[in-house]
Parts: sequence; structure tokens; C-alpha cells
Amino acid sequence: EVQLVESGGGLVQPGGSLRLSCVASGFTFNNYAMSWVRQAPGKGLEWVSSINGGGTSTNFADSVKGRFTISRDNSKNTLSLQMDSLRVDDTAVYYCAKDPGDWSNWFDPWGQGTLVTVSS
Amino acid sequence: EIVLTQSPATLSLSPGERATLSCRASQSVSTYLAWYQQKPGQAPRLLIFDASNRATGIPARFSGSGSGTDFTLTISSLEPEDFAVYYCQHRSNWPLTFGQGTRLEIK
Repeated sequence: EVQLVESGGGLVQPGGSLRLSCVASGFTFNNYAMSWVRQAPGKGLEWVSSINGGGTSTNFADSVKGRFTISRDNSKNTLSLQMDSLRVDDTAVYYCAKDPGDWSNWFDPWGQGTLVTVSS
Repeated sequence: EIVLTQSPATLSLSPGERATLSCRASQSVSTYLAWYQQKPGQAPRLLIFDASNRATGIPARFSGSGSGTDFTLTISSLEPEDFAVYYCQHRSNWPLTFGQGTRLEIK
């Protein structure tokens, strides 16, 4: 069974940094692209970033480009999102999600999410 | 950026009825469109990918259709567990975007 477990969320001040992690199990991690998708409280879904299985190609939403970095450690089955220069509007539940293939760009399944709150 | 517009915002129906949800793209996405279901307090779940293919384990009452700019998710006969929020998402190009969601509520 595929399992994705996010961690690292919490309260941070505007301008601060936070690093999210997602530990994967139940599949051959390096064969699949992975993504982060966020959801602000009471709002819809927003794609944040994706990385291919080998970790050699990444893409970012314009809203986070230059501030967030996505990476993966295939030896540890771990996906990471380094978030710098955080803003109040980055407040959201952050989900990690598995791609059914390598760059098919669907999300299946999703983790349970980790809440990031940016506030002074 | 491709904008996906879902309609209606809220759909009120009774169990056993047929639900029809719409997603319109601001430019053609071919058949590169997916549908997700999200229940309160839960992560989204993939229902349909590539416009009309059901994901693993999704009941046959869920079906998707469309191509280009106009897409439909149909639930043939609503079960109590189907009342949720539904999102469409395209993968035609970067950035990937979602529609704003349709809330399916019990009438």
C-alpha cells in the first residue's frame, strides 16, 4: 500500500523559513515524479511544485518561484520542500502527492497534509 | 496560464439522482484533464484522468467526458458518500492548475 507522510509544518513569521518533508513507502520511489499541492484555509487547491523521479527536473508555480525549492533523496524515499521568504498568503495545508508515472502530472495518491501558518 | 472554470459552484441533489458537473478551460487542453473528490478533513482523491479514464478503485457510477475546452463529470446515481467537493485539473502545460471546485450537497 502506498503511504505518504508529511511533516515539518508549523507556525512561522513572515520572512521566515520552513522545510517540509514527505516520507514515502509502498512503491519504488525513484520511478515516480512527486509534487506538492497546497490548500489555503477554506479555499481550493493550488499546485506548488513537481520533481521527476531522478530529481533532475523541477517546476514551480509562479507564486513560489525563487522562494521555494523542491528536492528528493531517493536513498531515503523522502521528498522535501524548502520554503524561504514566507508570506502570509503561503498559509495552507501542504500535501505531497505521487505521480502515477514519471511526469504524467496527475496526483494519486495524496498524503494527509501538513499545516503551515505564516503569521506574526 | 490555463484557467479552469467549474460550474455550478454548488449543486444540490438527492441520493439516487444524476449529477452533472462542468469544467471549462480557457484554451484547449486536449484530453489532459483530471477530476478529484475531496471530503471534509480529507486529502483529495483522483477519480478520473485523461478526461475519461477511471482511476483504480473508482466505482463505475463516476464517468468523465469531453475534450478541448469542455469537460463533464457525471455521477449516474448519487450515493450518500458522494456528497463532497469536486475539482478539475489540467496537465496540458506548466503551470498545472485546478478549477475552483464544485460543492455537491444533499438537497
